Amino acid sequence: EAAVTQSPRNKVAVTGGKVTLSCNQTNNHNNMYWYRQDTGHGLRLIHYSYGAGSTEKGDIPDGYKASRPSQENFSLILELATPSQTSVYFCASGDAALQGARAEQFFGPGTRLTVL
Amino acid sequence: GDKVKQSPSALSLQEGTNSALRCNFSIAATTVQWFLQNPRGSLMNLFYLVPGTKENGRLKSAFDSKESYSTLHIRDAQLEDSGTYFCAADASSGSWQLIFGSGTQLTVMP
Repeated sequence: EAAVTQSPRNKVAVTGGKVTLSCNQTNNHNNMYWYRQDTGHGLRLIHYSYGAGSTEKGDIPDGYKASRPSQENFSLILELATPSQTSVYFCASGDAALQGARAEQFFGPGTRLTVL
Repeated sequence: GDKVKQSPSALSLQEGTNSALRCNFSIAATTVQWFLQNPRGSLMNLFYLVPGTKENGRLKSAFDSKESYSTLHIRDAQLEDSGTYFCAADASSGSWQLIFGSGTQLTVMP
């Protein structure tokens, strides 16, 4: 069974609309991450979280909000979607940065978002 | 400039041959991950490395933190090895953010 799941897997939105991407993990990891991947590029970090109630800005947070209501769930919110946010979005989970823990991250299957 | 630079950006191999992919880091990475993104877009974890080497079947990876690079060797390439290989280094900032390279697109031909 997949340990990191994302929904929806595909989404078409209109410019100016609100989009919420959801992620659920059963790894019992403290940290969760949202990345976007654009053609010809690796993944870039948007927001991350250390645990329930925590959200932190990554490298490209502008235009995005995040919400971590529980250990298992982490959402990415586009309040006013724009065509430049058309991309593939990946969620990941990982252990907290504690001594002896592994920094390994595990990824969901991705959500393809098209903003028209 | 790129904090994680991957080379080559694209590579074609004949089935049964060997190859090496490389990542150079301009950050003080303490761990490295290698992923394979398959044609469906899923990211598969290949290796998680602290400085040293690991081997798994036909794949072998090394990470040298002092010289700031990592390599992924593919032996006896198979058609199913085709896809895009990414390396990612932790940012050593305490939050364990990964910084990704731009990927190597590998095509294995029969």
